[in-house]
Amino acid sequence: AQKITQTQPGMFVQEKEAVTLDCTYDTSDPSYGLFWYKQPSSGEMIFLIYQGSYDQQNATEGRYSLNFQKARKSANLVISASQLGDSAMYFCAMREGFNFGNEKLTFGTGTRLTIIP
Amino acid sequence: GAGVSQSPSNKVTEKGKDVELRCDPISGHTALYWYRQRLGQGLEFLIYFQGNSAPDKSGLPSDRFSAERTGESVSTLTIQRTQQEDSAVYLCASSDQGQLNTGELFFGEGSRLTVL
Repeated sequence: AQKITQTQPGMFVQEKEAVTLDCTYDTSDPSYGLFWYKQPSSGEMIFLIYQGSYDQQNATEGRYSLNFQKARKSANLVISASQLGDSAMYFCAMREGFNFGNEKLTFGTGTRLTIIP
Repeated sequence: GAGVSQSPSNKVTEKGKDVELRCDPISGHTALYWYRQRLGQGLEFLIYFQGNSAPDKSGLPSDRFSAERTGESVSTLTIQRTQQEDSAVYLCASSDQGQLNTGELFFGEGSRLTVL
């Protein structure tokens, strides 16, 4: 079974609109962390946001927020007021266990987001 | 710069040849990872180094793949007798074990390998 599922291979969104990128995960470990990374055309992976499984509140970082629904095993990324520079591939990832120093991440297949002027 | 540096950025090789890919992590980062990204795919974990501990090689796809790391510095990923299915971008990342909150990984820009 896939540990990380991203069902949207591509999305087109009008500039300044909000966008939600879907991510569902599968784990039996009660301790885990969820990550979103952005990969622009340059190829570099850029860390956006993190949510721990025991965190009570949804993570937020500027225009990024993570809609964490633990019972549904869902960790959607919300980008508010999208900008042209947000056009990129977005990857959801999970680390199982809190063995700090062993951050082996499992990645989804990604969503290509294109912002339309 | 102070980021993760990878070389070469692009490598074209003939099937059957050996290749070496290099990663220079962020200074002071104790952990180093190699991932493979095939075209249109997510990232596949290959290998992980943490300090002087034995590396986690659980993601290496075959015995043609190996990696070395000298202390807490440069790492080299070697692919022997390359096959066309090895064509991919190989991404290196490092992390600071002291980042207990997120375990964020810092990635290089990757080495694009094309096997003809």
